[in-house]
Amino acid sequence: SQQGEEDPQALSIQEGENATMNCSYKTSINNLQWYRQNSGRGLVHLILIRSNEREKHSGRLRVTLDTSKKSSSLLITASRAADTASYFCVTKDGSARQLTFGSGTQLTVLP
Amino acid sequence: EAGVTQFPSHSVIEKGQTVTLRCDPISGHDNLYWYRRVMGKEIKFLLHFVKESKQDESGMPNNRFLAERTGGTYSTLKVQPAELEDSGVYFCASSLLTRAVEDTQYFGPGTRLTVL
Repeated sequence: SQQGEEDPQALSIQEGENATMNCSYKTSINNLQWYRQNSGRGLVHLILIRSNEREKHSGRLRVTLDTSKKSSSLLITASRAADTASYFCVTKDGSARQLTFGSGTQLTVLP
Repeated sequence: EAGVTQFPSHSVIEKGQTVTLRCDPISGHDNLYWYRRVMGKEIKFLLHFVKESKQDESGMPNNRFLAERTGGTYSTLKVQPAELEDSGVYFCASSLLTRAVEDTQYFGPGTRLTVL
């Protein structure tokens, strides 16, 4: 199975609500990143959290990392319709530079 | 500053034909990567250039795929001959030559390849 597996696969919420997406991975990692892909567009880097960090904030985004459980969560607060996109948990292990993508969570924010 | 650009945005070819995808990284980025997403599966790594050198090509599926980065600027990915299972979206990414732990890769919009 894949290194990063997101949960849920799809999430639909109302504008203004918070959205939480979870990710689990299998091997030891160097860092964990979250990317967003709007329909038909490229991948946009959202946030990077290093393996020695536990929590990180960026605007309305909050990422947590639990290396003992090999899991991460992405919280988007006060969601907007423009947040509608696919969100990917992406890991990098060791000194390798290749990124390993999860299957993604499709978030739909209803106006 | 311009981001990563890819050309074409969409290519439709017949099985057995050749297609060449192009990627222009962010200026000054020595690292260039190719990824692809086929048949609704996860996005998978193909290969990594540092300047003009192939650093890691462990993700290349077979010898029908040839990537080049002459001069260390733009890169091309040629598929010859194309097969049906090559259909998907091909992404290019670039990053500065920093330590791997801090490496943030910036992605292009992708090229959607359809093989009929």
